[in-house]
Amino acid sequence: DAGVIQSPRHEVTEMGQEVTLRCKPISGHDYLFWYRQTMMRGLELLIYFNNNVPIDDSGMPEDRFSAKMPNASFSTLKIQPSEPRDSAVYFCASLNSEALTNEQFFGPGTRLTVL
Amino acid sequence: DAKTTQPNSMESNEEEPVHLPCNHSTISGTDYIHWYRQLPSQGPEYVIHGLTSNVNNRMASLAIAEDRKSSTLILHRATLRDAAVYYCILRNDYGQNFVFGPGTRLSVLP
Repeated sequence: DAGVIQSPRHEVTEMGQEVTLRCKPISGHDYLFWYRQTMMRGLELLIYFNNNVPIDDSGMPEDRFSAKMPNASFSTLKIQPSEPRDSAVYFCASLNSEALTNEQFFGPGTRLTVL
Repeated sequence: DAKTTQPNSMESNEEEPVHLPCNHSTISGTDYIHWYRQLPSQGPEYVIHGLTSNVNNRMASLAIAEDRKSSTLILHRATLRDAAVYYCILRNDYGQNFVFGPGTRLSVLP
């Protein structure tokens, strides 16, 4: 398996623009997570899905952020409009709750820079 | 959510064992103890987890105190590739919320 796939790997945009980050989880995994990592705040859980249904979005910073999972193999995290303080590395992770280790597999991340 | 406390940083010499401590004095009976690590410029990766008993796998060992208020991740022979930030996380059996703290930055000296 190719692991969790994220695109793009790097994104540079200007303040006010819409940004869409994409994630393909590992096939067969029933949980999907979106995290954000910055030097100041560390690694923060934004939202997670179970079987394509959002379970907890309490970590989503504000209404400018939205996440969807239209099917088991694809999820998006959208920021509209983007602001410089959104600059961070965004990670997607997936998990198979049937596995003994209950292990989250992380993607390589998308480094977002908002100018 | 129950919190964990780890030292900000630790150093080790290559080929020597490393003991990374984690305090979790408010742990509940249904909390699992998970360890992840994050190598430079990569996403976190799973290391090991446990509930009550000590655990071993190919990467590390996890020693859990009898009262479960602390645990120690043991790397038996540190290599340069083990230099990373190590996170100790509590996960309740009822959910998948992971709260990552600042972790311990491990430096391995040649």
